[in-house]
Amino acid sequence: EADIYQTPRYLVIGTGKKITLECSQTMGHDKMYWYQQDPGMELHLIHYSYGVNSTEKGDLSSESTVSRIRTEHFPLTLESARPSHTSQYLCASSVPGDTQYFGPGTRLTVL
Amino acid sequence: LAKTTQPISMDSYEGQEVNITCSHNNIATNDYITWYQQFPSQGPRFIIQGYKTKVTNEVASLFIPADRKSSTLSLPRVSLSDTAVYYCLVGDTQDSSYKLIFGSGTRLLVRP
Repeated sequence: EADIYQTPRYLVIGTGKKITLECSQTMGHDKMYWYQQDPGMELHLIHYSYGVNSTEKGDLSSESTVSRIRTEHFPLTLESARPSHTSQYLCASSVPGDTQYFGPGTRLTVL
Repeated sequence: LAKTTQPISMDSYEGQEVNITCSHNNIATNDYITWYQQFPSQGPRFIIQGYKTKVTNEVASLFIPADRKSSTLSLPRVSLSDTAVYYCLVGDTQDSSYKLIFGSGTRLLVRP
């Protein structure tokens, strides 16, 4: 099993708050990803990174931002949370040409 | 990336073999076929990957015909714990810019 962690697992927060979802992996993987998934729906890629100081937007437009200062760490930030941001956020990592390993996810609820 | 088509849902009973077929008519020469499994409130988990013919591991088998325009994930003797969503993905995993694009998947329900 891969070692990729996400915190918090669950978060309930009020509108307008700034939040950061943490994702870290101990496998030394260069590539990391953030997906957004509503209940029962498809996963959508919102951000990805090919290595330190590399970040790209994914296929689904998102108001969140990411940073990649260290290989093992890929946090996602929402400057001002809104109810429309309520979803599950999944982080993953991989080496080039390899499969992706997913974290357990963060279920975010914005009231 | 090649677009994939899978059945939206399937029902089965414990102990049966389940075959989920995925169509990928415009698969490219360098594309691999990968299947993931996702349980509710968890991230997807890699099941199996193949390029052609047949691949088997401790969890499943993957059958790919010669034209590679489809693939079939075979789960032998399913149990209740195999109830999950199964995703078929196609892409050039050797491409440094490769990104997984998940479709809607196949929702498998295993009944007692």
